[in-house]
Amino acid sequence: LAKTTQPISMDSYEGQEVNITCSHNNIATNDYITWYQQFPSQGPRFIIQGYKTKVTNEVASLFIPADRKSSTLSLPRVSLSDTAVYYCLVGDSYQAGTALIFGKGTTLSVSS
Amino acid sequence: EAGVAQSPRYKIIEKRQSVAFWCNPISGHATLYWYQQILGQGPKLLIQFQNNGVVDDSQLPKDRFSAERLKGVDSTLKIQPAKLEDSAVYLCASRAGGLQGSYEQYFGPGTRLTVT
Repeated sequence: LAKTTQPISMDSYEGQEVNITCSHNNIATNDYITWYQQFPSQGPRFIIQGYKTKVTNEVASLFIPADRKSSTLSLPRVSLSDTAVYYCLVGDSYQAGTALIFGKGTTLSVSS
Repeated sequence: EAGVAQSPRYKIIEKRQSVAFWCNPISGHATLYWYQQILGQGPKLLIQFQNNGVVDDSQLPKDRFSAERLKGVDSTLKIQPAKLEDSAVYLCASRAGGLQGSYEQYFGPGTRLTVT
C-alpha cells in the first residue's frame, strides 16, 4: 500500500467548505484512493473512493489531479456533526480484500 | 440491512485476567477483520478471516490473543492473559465481495477494553 501524508488537524466553522488534501507520491497504476470518517466512540465509516478526476456522492467530493500524486476530500457546508477524524488510504484495487492500513488521519474540528 | 454487531461495548478487567469479544458481521459478508485501535492512532489489523479460514494473522500477538470464526459467520476474539498495553478499542469489520474492487468495509461500534 502506498504511503499517504495528510495534515494532523484542521479547524473550520459551520457552513464553510472544507478541503482535506492527502499526498501519495508513490501511488501505483492499480491503486485506488479511499477516504474513511471516524466519529468518537464509533468505528470508521467509508466515505468515498476514486481513481481519477472527480467523484461525488451525497456526502463528499473527491478530486484527483491527472498525476494522481495527491487527492482532496471536499466537504461542502460542514456542520458541527462533521467533527471527526478523516483517513486517506491508497491501495491496489486487485487487493481490495486485504486489510486497511490506517495512519493517524486528520482531525477536523467544526465550531459554531 | 443490519450493521456489524459487537459485544460487549465496554469491558474493564485487571491485568492477567482473560476477556472475550464477540462480533456478528453483516449477513453474507465473507471477509471479517479484527482491528485494534489505541487512543490517538488509526486502527491496526489483528486478524483477517475469509469465511472460516485465516487470511492474515501476522500482527496478532499469538502468545496471548486468539480468534476464531466458526461456521464462517460470528467471530470471537480472546485475550488471555491481558496486559496493560492491551487497553484499546477492538473493532470488527466485514466486507462483501471478492479480493478485487471496493475498499468499503463496514465497521462495528467497537469494544472499549480497559486493563487496570
